[in-house]
Amino acid sequence: DIQMTQSPSSLSASVGDRVTITCRASQSISNYLNWYQQKPGKAPKLLIYAASSLQSGVPSRFSGSGSGTDFTLTISSLQPEDFGSYYCQQSYSTLRLTFGGGTKVEI
Amino acid sequence: EVQLVESGGGLVQPGRSLRLSCAASGFNFEDYVMHWVRQAPGKGLEWVSGISWNSGRIDYADSVKGRFAISRDNAKKFLYLQMNSLRTEDTAFYYCARQTTVTGNYYAMDVWGQGTTVTVSS
Repeated sequence: DIQMTQSPSSLSASVGDRVTITCRASQSISNYLNWYQQKPGKAPKLLIYAASSLQSGVPSRFSGSGSGTDFTLTISSLQPEDFGSYYCQQSYSTLRLTFGGGTKVEI
Repeated sequence: EVQLVESGGGLVQPGRSLRLSCAASGFNFEDYVMHWVRQAPGKGLEWVSGISWNSGRIDYADSVKGRFAISRDNAKKFLYLQMNSLRTEDTAFYYCARQTTVTGNYYAMDVWGQGTTVTVSS
């Protein structure tokens, strides 16, 4: 099984801050890495796929990078609507699409 | 409108069974791999199970293997999760999700249902 580890598990930041979340895979997954945002009481929403490609409709302040085992989600200028939890997910295993433990972003 | 709607959740005693359903609409259901994902109260997302378009490939998380069974009815556009021998640790919000090919060989879950709550308690 491919294990996904995120850090930090939570963070507090101010509007306008640059925020970085990291995700590490237990083995190389090339760039088969997705990022999701989840607001309280809502289903997750796809933000980024293939490690760095922005899903349609997602603001450009979100960006992703990385390859192999280490990946990063960056919010260039945090906005009030960006609070919530963020999850990485590997898609290297075509059916077993496991998630990281999540990062809760508080503003 | 592309939509997934889960149903079948509820309160059940440990050791008992429950079947979740997910109704798909607004897209060609038979063309897509489908998944169940759960979220325990206050916890993160956990992939539970996935099924290919023709049910030829199925996989389960180790935590549910041997107890849960995923299935689909493409004619009726339904996804199911049969949950047997339920444990208190299965208490969670259960989502069904559509897997899409975002580009090339890259996959992601692009459509999610609103979820259904399963509570396992005596």
